[in-house]
Amino acid sequence: GAVVSQHPSWVICKSGTSVKIECRSLDFQATTMFWYRQFPKQSLMLMATSNEGSKATYEQGVEKDKFLINHASLTLSTLTVTSAHPEDSSFYICSARVGGMNTEAFFGQGTRLTVV
Amino acid sequence: QQQVKQSPQSLIVQKGGISIINCAYENTAFDYFPWYQQFPGKGPALLIAIRPDVSEKKEGRFTISFNKSAKQFSLHIMDSQPGDSATYFCAASIRGSNYKLTFGKGTLLTVNP
Repeated sequence: GAVVSQHPSWVICKSGTSVKIECRSLDFQATTMFWYRQFPKQSLMLMATSNEGSKATYEQGVEKDKFLINHASLTLSTLTVTSAHPEDSSFYICSARVGGMNTEAFFGQGTRLTVV
Repeated sequence: QQQVKQSPQSLIVQKGGISIINCAYENTAFDYFPWYQQFPGKGPALLIAIRPDVSEKKEGRFTISFNKSAKQFSLHIMDSQPGDSATYFCAASIRGSNYKLTFGKGTLLTVNP
């Protein structure tokens, strides 16, 4: 199957700083990428959908100024958590789709963010 | 409002047994139903998926049964193995929404040796 790579796998940052997470589709072009947040022992919560070259569409309740998403190319999307606070600590996961009639979404390995 | 309801929350099965996880949905516009497997600290991986025009799909030890009239679908894992121990999520999506996935709450499967 297709490979989606997230970087970093884990990151610890100080409260008030910003952290950027990268999501790359390694062997296909992703017209659509999704960003999820997952708390321990819970399901995946969709944060936003991004299409290459367009502004991201955020789900209700997700602060777009806090979680900046950029999908500048067909193989790269980034999520920047700005002014991070301990409550932003979570597991962030991206997924990518080729688009069109292709239904399958390929997931990255996730990024564990800890804000201290 | 939870659009995809998954049960049970946890499941313990003996090695060689059959694991069954059920999901129900409300939105009849859903037209793609995948199942994902997730190990601790990893992203989900697609196991098997089905469209509503078929009632069953089998891939190796994994089978999806789909009941369109009841708006239910289930995952059956035959000959369950300790390596199958993971969290399983059902999901549903709609073509017109970029196939944005709506996930169930997950089932923690433990297969005892």
